[in-house]
Amino acid sequence: GAGVSQSPRYKVAKRGQDVALRCDPISGHVSLFWYQQALGQGPEFLTYFQNEAQLDKSGLPSDRFFAERPEGSVSTLKIQRTQQEDSAVYLCASSLAWDQPQHFGDGTRLSIL
Amino acid sequence: AQSVTQLGSHVSVSEGALVLLRCNYSSSVPPYLFWYVQYPNQGLQLLLKYTTGATLVKGINGFEAEFKKSETSFHLTKPSAHMSDAAEYFCAVSASTGTASKLTFGTGTRLQVTL
Repeated sequence: GAGVSQSPRYKVAKRGQDVALRCDPISGHVSLFWYQQALGQGPEFLTYFQNEAQLDKSGLPSDRFFAERPEGSVSTLKIQRTQQEDSAVYLCASSLAWDQPQHFGDGTRLSIL
Repeated sequence: AQSVTQLGSHVSVSEGALVLLRCNYSSSVPPYLFWYVQYPNQGLQLLLKYTTGATLVKGINGFEAEFKKSETSFHLTKPSAHMSDAAEYFCAVSASTGTASKLTFGTGTRLQVTL
């Protein structure tokens, strides 16, 4: 398919473990966004890339959260030393340009035990 | 800074009835406004968007919304509800200026459609 692909769809980890979440954006999309959606809430912005440059990381909740997009395509969101409050759905979105509509993946549901 | 308020976390309508989901926004710059729909265990799908121009925007699946600057509102409507419309709906705002269009979402409205 031509949509945004996220993997894994579900991830269970023990508190303290590190996790890595992957996002494959739509081919040719310059902009890439990560959002965190807690249960029963709307998504909240985490970070934004334009090509390989991380232009805004103001939404990352702590220094345990790290995102990268080294070649301007695939992006990885890494969470170190996970805590229970990190349990959420992590959504990735991409757009053709900064002012174009964002297309969302189906998300990764992260559960921290 | 931007924010969105969605009035009513749950809305229930009968099949064939009018759907009205309310959204009010706050923005320090001219806003771009969006409605997204989310089905269980899926990502968000864009229903419609307002950027500039005509204030009444039409989207997919028969939905439309009207941008009212004086009321800072962007309510979503559909003349006749269908069972397949049952889902979570999110209103979102982004800045029309700058180099990034990160979305600020409301808390969502769950639409239930009954027979």
